[in-house]
Parts: sequence; C-alpha cells; structure tokens
Amino acid sequence: GAGVSQTPSNKVTEKGKYVELRCDPISGHTALYWYRQSLGQGPEFLIYFQGTGAADDSGLPNDRFFAVRPEGSVSTLKIQRTERGDSAVYLCASSLRGGIGETQYFGPGTRLLVL
Amino acid sequence: LAKTTQPISMDSYEGQEVNITCSHNNIATNDYITWYQQFPSQGPRFIIQGYKTKVTNEVASLFIPADRKSSTLSLPRVSLSDTAVYYCLVDKSNTGNQFYFGTGTSLTVIP
Repeated sequence: GAGVSQTPSNKVTEKGKYVELRCDPISGHTALYWYRQSLGQGPEFLIYFQGTGAADDSGLPNDRFFAVRPEGSVSTLKIQRTERGDSAVYLCASSLRGGIGETQYFGPGTRLLVL
Repeated sequence: LAKTTQPISMDSYEGQEVNITCSHNNIATNDYITWYQQFPSQGPRFIIQGYKTKVTNEVASLFIPADRKSSTLSLPRVSLSDTAVYYCLVDKSNTGNQFYFGTGTSLTVIP
C-alpha cells in the first residue's frame, strides 16, 4: 500500500499561534515516531508511539508540544504558542511493531515556518 | 545518549567506491547499527542494518569490526544519484532518546 503521508506539506503561521500536523502511517504499523529536523541537522527524536500510547516522549522539547494517536493509526502533533525557533521540518515515521532493529519508514515531512 | 560521529562531508567521482565510517563508542550489547539516506526535501530512507561482521544487500555493504565501536558503509560504484546525506544510527530501543541520527555525512558525487 501507500507509504507514510503527512499533511500539510507546508505550514506558515505566526508566532503565538497553534498548529496541528498530521501523520498517516503505513497500514498495519503499530509503531509511530515523530522527529524534528532543522536545516543542516539530522532528525531529532521527539516521541514514539506503540499503538495508542506514547512509549517514549523524552524528546519533546517542552510542554508546548503534544502528540496523540487516539486510535492507534493516525497521529497528530500539536504545537501551542508557536515560536520562531519551532520552524523546522517535522518528520513522521512508522514501523511494523516498534522496538530494536526495526526499519523506520519516513514520510516527506511538514515544513513549518513560524513568522 | 547514543552518540555517533561521522565525517561532515565527502566528495567522490562517479564509478568509485565510497566508504563512510561512523564511530559509536558507547554501543551496547543489544544495539543495532542502521544507515539511512536522505535526499533534499525528502524523509530519510533505510539503506542497511547490521549487528556484527558484514552485511550486504543490493545497494550497499556494512562492515562492523569485532568491538562494534565503529561501522563502515560501503557504496560500490557510486553514481550522481547517490549524492545525499547519509546517517549512521545506533538503535538503542531499551533507553530513552533511543533514536539518534547525528549530523550525517553529506556525500557529493562528481561527474
């Protein structure tokens, strides 16, 4: 089937606004990951879901960032009171079961620009 | 943190073999080593994964010495389309911040 999809592909917002970024993982994949990638840097881990629950949210930078996956498939990354430093590409990935040694399949990312 | 160290950039001529080495001194017994490739405006793409010795697939080989503190990605006969950033990742699924990509190696293939 289709790969990981992310919407929107680009998002421009103003400082202080709220944004939601959506990820549709590969069908049947129980593990879902969010990363953030700044220009010239590698992806930075944010959060990892196993099913509906966040198995590891140690990468979320602060309490303005929150992610949900209520039915164990689609996930939404929510950013409150956006700041200019939040501008980056937000990548989503999924894998079949999660855990060590599994391949992660990445989406194309959402490019967020906070003005 | 599962830190890795790679060269920031490399250049190579078309048709040559390219070897990119990654250092991961704090690798643990159960950790895997995975390499990803990323083109501009795309998400990373899996290339190869290994635990020890040598792994080969249709696009690359991965060499891991006995102490596993480093690994070398080998790309045979590179073409212009291999120009990309290559990331070495140590998969430490039993700890927090388990997926660390580092800054990667920017490979430029020259005609």
